[in-house]
Amino acid sequence: DSGVTQTPKHLITATGQRVTLRCSPRSGDLSVYWYQQSLDQGLQFLIQYYNGEERAKGNILERFSAQQFPDLHSELNLSSLELGDSALYFCASSVGAGAYTDTQYFGPGTRLTVL
Amino acid sequence: GNSVTQMEGPVTLSEEAFLTINCTYTATGYPSLFWYVQYPGEGLQLLLKATKADDKGSNKGFEATYRKETTSFHLEKGSVQVSDSAVYFCALTHTDKLIFGTGTRLQVFP
Repeated sequence: DSGVTQTPKHLITATGQRVTLRCSPRSGDLSVYWYQQSLDQGLQFLIQYYNGEERAKGNILERFSAQQFPDLHSELNLSSLELGDSALYFCASSVGAGAYTDTQYFGPGTRLTVL
Repeated sequence: GNSVTQMEGPVTLSEEAFLTINCTYTATGYPSLFWYVQYPGEGLQLLLKATKADDKGSNKGFEATYRKETTSFHLEKGSVQVSDSAVYFCALTHTDKLIFGTGTRLQVFP
């Protein structure tokens, strides 16, 4: 158990809908990262927050957004969902702001299925 | 740009066989290198890491050495078990994000 929690574990929804994925980092970690794992794209970095502020952005679509709250939990919002958004979404956390030696610990993931 | 290349899988071995999964990287500067493991139906678990050249990461019988001259971080284990069956991801971090390889599926048979 990494100490990172994600809810829900599974999510099934329809095209055009909007969903929210939630992540709680390990105790003491200030950074939260979101990754998408799909069969065709592999594991892709989406976005990072550090202590409430957006710090780095990767291959995140404009239909997707995230935020980190004062209690450090984070939410990833996916809107106008398409079939291709079906994937495993992982959250990870780390102590620092992402210095190159920082280790990221991953949650169990949320499996999103868009029908 | 930064990237990680892993050997194609699946790798199929008998129990107690020697394991090598190749990983090479391209990066500017001096990245940290990681191996993560994903067991069926689960999330990613950190297996080991190395933060500078010639460092050896080790955990649960797995080892990998950060080789700057060959830009490699090959994963090895002397004697695999059925319980090691999983997908193994090599990754590097440079500044803020992890860049992953495509993953290598390991199947170990009794």
